[in-house]
Amino acid sequence: DTAVSQTPKYLVTQMGNDKSIKCEQNLGHDTMYWYKQDSKKFLKIMFSYNNKELIINETVPNRFSPKSPDKAHLNLHINSLELGDSAVYFCASSPWSVGPKLPEAFFGQGTRLTVV
Amino acid sequence: DQQVKQNSPSLSVQEGRISILNCDYTNSMFDYFLWYKKYPAEGPTFLISISSIKDKNEDGRFTVFLNKSAKHLSLHIVPSQPGDSAVYFCAASDSGGGADGLTFGKGTHLIIQP
Repeated sequence: DTAVSQTPKYLVTQMGNDKSIKCEQNLGHDTMYWYKQDSKKFLKIMFSYNNKELIINETVPNRFSPKSPDKAHLNLHINSLELGDSAVYFCASSPWSVGPKLPEAFFGQGTRLTVV
Repeated sequence: DQQVKQNSPSLSVQEGRISILNCDYTNSMFDYFLWYKKYPAEGPTFLISISSIKDKNEDGRFTVFLNKSAKHLSLHIVPSQPGDSAVYFCAASDSGGGADGLTFGKGTHLIIQP
């Protein structure tokens, strides 16, 4: 059973379109994340959700919006896609934790988005 | 501004020898460090971690060393095996809460040669 699964794995779309990437985790984790790996291979956090509440938003354009229908899902909606949005997007989840030990995050397999 | 730096984009090591991957960080608030391994077309998978209260953590063939004064950590793999060929990401966080996410380095592509 896949712990963190995201669909689709590949997505090719035209500029200006609106698209969604879905993410589901079956680990019972409280916190889910979206990361973007850009052309320079940097993995950067975009959003995190804890108990359906947005915790952080790292200067991501408002064309990107996370939607969490329940604790096990965090979908990423992107409006008016631009060429620069082409990247690999990773969903991740982790248990909620405060204190000296930060639990590791579990990642999905990634969605390669290509905007043409 | 790269807060976590992996200055070697790639590293080639002979099978059976020790692989040493390095990572430097600039943010003194970081107190928890993780290494992730990534195969092509897959998501990163957790490998090993270390808290800033320790200077070494060992798990089988993998050992992570932390030098807080130098803001440097390293991952040692010994002996190196062909299946270790992958991209290794160093990641860091402060312990303010599980929702802060991780700050990743650019990764080092480890190639194990037979």
